[in-house]
Amino acid sequence: SQKIEQNSEALNIQEGKTATLTCNYTNYSPAYLQWYRQDPGRGPVFLLLIRENEKEKRKERLKVTFDTTLKQSLFHITASQPADSATYLCALGQAGTALIFGKGTTLSVSS
Amino acid sequence: EPEVTQTPSHQVTQMGQEVILRCVPISNHLYFYWYRQILGQKVEFLVSFYNNEISEKSEIFDDQFSVERPDGSNFTLKIRSTKLEDSAMYFCASRRSALTYEQYFGPGTRLTVT
Repeated sequence: SQKIEQNSEALNIQEGKTATLTCNYTNYSPAYLQWYRQDPGRGPVFLLLIRENEKEKRKERLKVTFDTTLKQSLFHITASQPADSATYLCALGQAGTALIFGKGTTLSVSS
Repeated sequence: EPEVTQTPSHQVTQMGQEVILRCVPISNHLYFYWYRQILGQKVEFLVSFYNNEISEKSEIFDDQFSVERPDGSNFTLKIRSTKLEDSAMYFCASRRSALTYEQYFGPGTRLTVT
């Protein structure tokens, strides 16, 4: 069955540094990969989508890479701020199907 | 900016009772989903709905669950006879079209079964 692993459950960094979160998957060939942010007790909020034929996507301070050979995506937040503290979820999908979520990495940015 | 809304925010029910969770998806979206998240665990897919019928469902979505779009705006999830293990956050999500894949989630309903 499909498996998604996000590198660690928790990541602690200092304000201003770049946070790098990893998503690895097995037994799956996604057409796209998405990253969501989830705050405690709230629903996931869509951040970025990258398709299987794309290597990199950027949006403001966020950058996502997608390597279908390694079956891995990296999610970067540059110039991190305490307000970036949240759980970040990786989700995979194929056209027309439901999303398969990883368990998430909880990022804490300290000032 | 349009949002997905869900009611109630918190529902407490006794085991064996029926509950209906309600969602209003974003108005021009065509695809609707229910997910659940047990405390401390990952978000899990339950069911997707398009063109007034179920398009996909997971193993979790057994005969105790049903979905309905009773009018042009609401999308409901019914659990017929709740069990303790149904306690979770239930999220509704919507997607605009066949060509867009990002999903927009509601704030969730926390279901507590006692």
